[in-house]
Amino acid sequence: GESVGLHLPTLSVQEGDNSIINCAYSNSASDYFIWYKQESGKGPQFIIDIRSNMDKRQGQRVTVLLNKTVKHLSLQIAATQPGDSAVYFCAEGEYNFNKFYFGSGTKLNVKP
Amino acid sequence: SAVISQKPSRDICQRGTSLTIQCQVDSQVTMMFWYRQQPGQSLTLIATANQGSEATYESGFVIDKFPISRPNLTFSTLTVSNMSPEDSSIYLCSVVSGTDTQYFGPGTRLTVL
Repeated sequence: GESVGLHLPTLSVQEGDNSIINCAYSNSASDYFIWYKQESGKGPQFIIDIRSNMDKRQGQRVTVLLNKTVKHLSLQIAATQPGDSAVYFCAEGEYNFNKFYFGSGTKLNVKP
Repeated sequence: SAVISQKPSRDICQRGTSLTIQCQVDSQVTMMFWYRQQPGQSLTLIATANQGSEATYESGFVIDKFPISRPNLTFSTLTVSNMSPEDSSIYLCSVVSGTDTQYFGPGTRLTVL
């Protein structure tokens, strides 16, 4: 499968600060990207997605940015809370094929 | 989003045996997939479970080791055959429904002794 990697394996932030989690992807044909949150003992939980015809998409407290030129995407979490502590994965894929390949994951630790 | 359940949620198995994991969705879905997540690592796609036909396997995974069934649009099974300790992982079912995104089940935690 395609190689999807992350710049930072762990990230520690203070409660209330903003968090930025980065992801690089390798397949220029990928046109759909998803961020997942995985808490211990649970399956990945969908956070937000973005198609390649967009470079920014906002959700509740989260924003995903896509830079197709350098094949990079990021997840920004505003006002990070202790409940945000988890491992975050980006996934890339080709929307019509409906299957996705995952990056290595970033563990987010939120300090109270 | 679809509600996905997996059985069993966890199991401890002996080397050389096989385990079948079930994935049940509460609505008909277009695509079903199986992933493996080894301890402390990311998710690796094993195969796409095709309804009424043989699964499509990713590089490094073969049908003899991971036979998959998908008899209808809401159910699939993954069998881990002739298990070894290296097969100890979390096995995850995921689904895509129409133009919706991909959702995951809770996973099956497998330990092979």
